[in-house]
Amino acid sequence: GAVVSQHPSWVICKSGTSVKIECRSLDFQATTMFWYRQFPKQSLMLMATSNEGSKATYEQGVEKDKFLINHASLTLSTLTVTSAHPEDSSFYICSAPRGVNQPQHFGDGTRLSIL
Amino acid sequence: QKEVEQDPGPLSVPEGAIVSLNCTYSNSAFQYFMWYRQYSRKGPELLMYTYSSGNKEDGRFTAQVDKSSKYISLFIRDSQPSDSATYLCAMILGGANNLFFGTGTRLTVIP
Repeated sequence: GAVVSQHPSWVICKSGTSVKIECRSLDFQATTMFWYRQFPKQSLMLMATSNEGSKATYEQGVEKDKFLINHASLTLSTLTVTSAHPEDSSFYICSAPRGVNQPQHFGDGTRLSIL
Repeated sequence: QKEVEQDPGPLSVPEGAIVSLNCTYSNSAFQYFMWYRQYSRKGPELLMYTYSSGNKEDGRFTAQVDKSSKYISLFIRDSQPSDSATYLCAMILGGANNLFFGTGTRLTVIP
């Protein structure tokens, strides 16, 4: 069964709205979680690394004020897309490893559509 | 040059065929290797995880790693239409969790 849960699976909202996406590890504690963005027919692009109890680490070119990450507990990380615009429409996926050198387990993704 | 190279396909095979998916990599520091399967509009699902050269088998799937050649493969035996998906290779440097992905190979198994 799933080990990482992501919610919501699909959201449609108006331009200018802020949208929060949740990522939960279900049966393990994750001090680190990852947020990816995926465009159609392309591979996953790492946006940021979410660290429990400290600031997230963003990849080059990712606006940290646009994509707010909060790793509030050892089982929950949230990604908030602030003042979303149509160009933010994409498939967002989170993941978490069970430990160092362990493979990442992915959520089912969130399809974000900004009108 | 990308750190991980994967033929994007698409690859179409008849049901029952043996499928071979491959990735090459340039950084010899990669120590852990994974194959993920991703269905349309879903997150990647872990299929195989290995860290040593050689073969690892799980049902119809066999993962092969050749560290000397910096080459990994995934073989699918008796392929089924339900195997139609995008297959992503991924690898980790030792002591870290950052995944380096291939571009993914889109596979279609024709009934």
